[in-house]
Amino acid sequence: EPEVTQTPSHQVTQMGQEVILRCVPISNHLYFYWYRQILGQKVEFLVSFYNNEISEKSEIFDDQFSVERPDGSNFTLKIRSTKLEDSAMYFCASSPREGRQQYFGPGTRLTVT
Amino acid sequence: GESVGLHLPTLSVQEGDNSIINCAYSNSASDYFIWYKQESGKGPQFIIDIRSNMDKRQGQRVTVLLNKTVKHLSLQIAATQPGDSAVYFCAEKTSGSRLTFGEGTQLTVNP
Repeated sequence: EPEVTQTPSHQVTQMGQEVILRCVPISNHLYFYWYRQILGQKVEFLVSFYNNEISEKSEIFDDQFSVERPDGSNFTLKIRSTKLEDSAMYFCASSPREGRQQYFGPGTRLTVT
Repeated sequence: GESVGLHLPTLSVQEGDNSIINCAYSNSASDYFIWYKQESGKGPQFIIDIRSNMDKRQGQRVTVLLNKTVKHLSLQIAATQPGDSAVYFCAEKTSGSRLTFGEGTQLTVNP
């Protein structure tokens, strides 16, 4: 069964550094998402992406964040200058159509020191 | 066993019992709802979904009930097994394709 994959599984970075989290969505899916989950809290929406542009973003997704689909398979989340409070699990998801089931990847644990 | 997801975040049941996990959602305009299961260190895993034009949907050992009048969603798991132990989240689609997740309920199944 096809699944969403994410790399790396764990990323440790120093405050102020840039990080890029990578995702390979399911191949025939058209909608892509990033969510995050701070330890012990609920999953929070960051951004959705369709047709090579952001379709929706949350108030968390400020100018420090950007997303890109650099080729036909990868979907990336970049945090330009990481803060301690960016430490969380970051989940990528994809869906074949808007408003349908979103399939989540295993997540990248980001630790900012 | 039964829980009110937002007020009682843990539910402990015996293997073989039926479990009911409850969720109160926030937006009366939400038109699509999903239950996800999350095991420790993993991403949310789809269990079952339901559209707002339905009030019940059944899957394998799971049933989702939707009561739009009181904005309440429940997940029933029949014959709960140790492998069902996880955190269960309800999620609602509020606008566009954004999912808004609930607080989660920790289900523990005792052998």
